[in-house]
Amino acid sequence: GAVVSQHPSRVICKSGTSVKIECRSLDFQATTMFWYRQFPKQSLMLMATSNEGSKATYEQGVEKDKFLINHASLTLSTLTVTSAHPEDSSFYICSALRGGAGNEQFFGPGTRLTVL
Amino acid sequence: SQELEQSPQSLIVQEGKNLTINCTSSKTLYGLYWYKQKYGEGLIFLMMLQKGGEEKSHEKITAKLDEKKQQSSLHITASQPSHAGIYLCGADSGGSNYKLTFGKGTLLTVNP
Repeated sequence: GAVVSQHPSRVICKSGTSVKIECRSLDFQATTMFWYRQFPKQSLMLMATSNEGSKATYEQGVEKDKFLINHASLTLSTLTVTSAHPEDSSFYICSALRGGAGNEQFFGPGTRLTVL
Repeated sequence: SQELEQSPQSLIVQEGKNLTINCTSSKTLYGLYWYKQKYGEGLIFLMMLQKGGEEKSHEKITAKLDEKKQQSSLHITASQPSHAGIYLCGADSGGSNYKLTFGKGTLLTVNP
């Protein structure tokens, strides 16, 4: 299957700082990527759809100024958590949509964010 | 919005036993995806179903989508400890945005 990477895998930061998470599709181009958030023992919640070359589309209840998304190339999308607070601590997972017959989504390994 | 109910929420089986996980949608499914997740890790794509009555198999895992396209089941034959993890079903609403809605997952434990 296709490979999607995320960096960093873990990050610990102080409250009030900003954290950038990268999502890369390593062996295919992805015009569309998705960012999810997962709380312990809960399912994935879609935060936003990242479209290459255009603004991201945010789900209801997700603050776009809080979670900045940039999809500057066909293989890279970034999520920046601005002015992070402890309640932002979570597991963030991205996925990349590979076009073609199946339109399959391939997921990254996730990033564990802990805000102190 | 589309909701997915997975059952059971958790399952403990003895190695070698068969098991089934179900995923029921409140709306007709355009596409149904099954993923496996180890806790704290990313999702591994298992299978995608789109047609009513479709059935796909990979190694010891079989997934089916009913004719009405509102329910899917994932069946594991002769389970092994390597099958342990969280199984998530995801639904494609059919729009051009390809957004997926996920169920809450089923935690599978396989005891040796």
